[in-house]
Amino acid sequence: GQNIDQPTEMTATEGAIVQINCTYQTSGFNGLFWYQQHAGEAPTFLSYNVLDGLEEKGRFSSFLSRSKGYSYLLLKELQMKDSASYLCAVRDSNYQLIWGAGTKLIIKP
Amino acid sequence: DGGITQSPKYLFRKEGQNVTLSCEQNLNHDAMYWYRQDPGQGLRLIYYSQIVNDFQKGDIAEGYSVSREKKESFPLTVTSAQKNPTAFYLCASSIGQEVQPQHFGDGTRLSIL
Repeated sequence: GQNIDQPTEMTATEGAIVQINCTYQTSGFNGLFWYQQHAGEAPTFLSYNVLDGLEEKGRFSSFLSRSKGYSYLLLKELQMKDSASYLCAVRDSNYQLIWGAGTKLIIKP
Repeated sequence: DGGITQSPKYLFRKEGQNVTLSCEQNLNHDAMYWYRQDPGQGLRLIYYSQIVNDFQKGDIAEGYSVSREKKESFPLTVTSAQKNPTAFYLCASSIGQEVQPQHFGDGTRLSIL
C-alpha cells in the first residue's frame, strides 16, 4: 500500500526554527508537495521538490531525498501566523496525489 | 481575482437526502478534483476530471456523483447512499493533471441533522 507519515503535532517558539519531517512509500514518485492549511481554510501551496536537495523560498525551505523516501519542511524565524497544519503530498506513478494526515504546528510566544 | 469558489460554506443534510456542493473556478484550469478531509486523515480523492464531459472515480467514490458539463464548474452530489457524509469537502483545480500544484477552494463543511 501507499503510505505517507508525518508527526501529528509539533510545538515551537516564536522566532525559532522548526523542521517537519515526512516519509513516504508510494508506487512511483513524480514529485513531493508541501501545503499549509489554517484551520477551516483551504490548503495553500508552499513548495515542490522532484530532485534531491534543498529548495529555498524565503523563510521556508524544503528538502528531498528520493533514495530514503524522505522530505522535510524547514521554517525559520517563526511567526505566530505560522500556526497551521502542514500537509505533505506525493505524486505517484499515476500522477495522483497521495496525502499525509498533516502536522499541526503550534507556535508559542 | 481568479480563484475557486465553493458554496455553501456550511451544509446540513437530513437522512435520505441528496445534497449538491458547488465548485466554480475562473482560472481556466482543465483539471478539477474533489477531496474529503476527515480529522486525523489525509485528503482522500473522491472524483476528478481532466476535461469537460469526462471524469474518473477516485479512491472513495461510492455514495458520490459528479458532472462536468462546463470547464468552470464541477459540482459534487452527496447521495443518500453515502452513510458517513459528515466531513470537510475541498474542491481543487490545476492546469492539467500532470502539471500541479493544485489550487483549492475554501471548502464546504457538511453535517448530518
